[in-house]
Amino acid sequence: AQKVTQAQTEISVVEKEDVTLDCVYETRDTTYYLFWYKQPPSGELVFLIRRNSFDEQNEISGRYSWNFQKSTSSFNFTITASQVVDSAVYFCALFNSNSGYALNFGKGTSLLVTP
Amino acid sequence: KAGVTQTPRYLIKTRGQQVTLSCSPISGHRSVSWYQQTPGQGLQFLFEYFSETQRNKGNFPGRFSGRQFSNSRSEMNVSTLELGDSALYLCASSLVEGARYEQYFGPGTRLTVT
Repeated sequence: AQKVTQAQTEISVVEKEDVTLDCVYETRDTTYYLFWYKQPPSGELVFLIRRNSFDEQNEISGRYSWNFQKSTSSFNFTITASQVVDSAVYFCALFNSNSGYALNFGKGTSLLVTP
Repeated sequence: KAGVTQTPRYLIKTRGQQVTLSCSPISGHRSVSWYQQTPGQGLQFLFEYFSETQRNKGNFPGRFSGRQFSNSRSEMNVSTLELGDSALYLCASSLVEGARYEQYFGPGTRLTVT
């Protein structure tokens, strides 16, 4: 079975704080792909990052960074110096052979950044 | 390059009616996937089309159907609407089949069934 768990339903921070969104996944496959998407109030999902299971290098993109750890089946997302525009719902997703051609999404974490 | 477009953006229907939603993928993208998003169930996969063929279907009743045209545009249809079909329907396109590569989502169609 494959499953994505985002235990944090809602997080509220004050602008300029760092915040980490947790993602834990389950899969028996050795080859899989992990994603993060952002859903602002406008509704459309915005692609942030894709990682395959063979690449455990952490990645940094501006204020965003991702920590992939196969040993703990986690793919956490950190926003440094958060801004009000970061307020959105963030989804972690898993793709593997057992999911057919579909992304298996977590329930999402709603992030609110206040001034 | 234009993004994924979905029409209409908002729709109100009554129980028992049917509805057709449209999705135009990014130019050059041949794969279109549909997802249903509700507060209770989250994001759930409906189906994917690639080169006019349905590649996979999620766990939804037969009332949900779709198709893809030769220009990659896709439509999904829901017949005999139920209250529980109220949701945000998102369409995503990608260059190749399968979601192993990044998918680009449209703004969605908000369907309300009364």
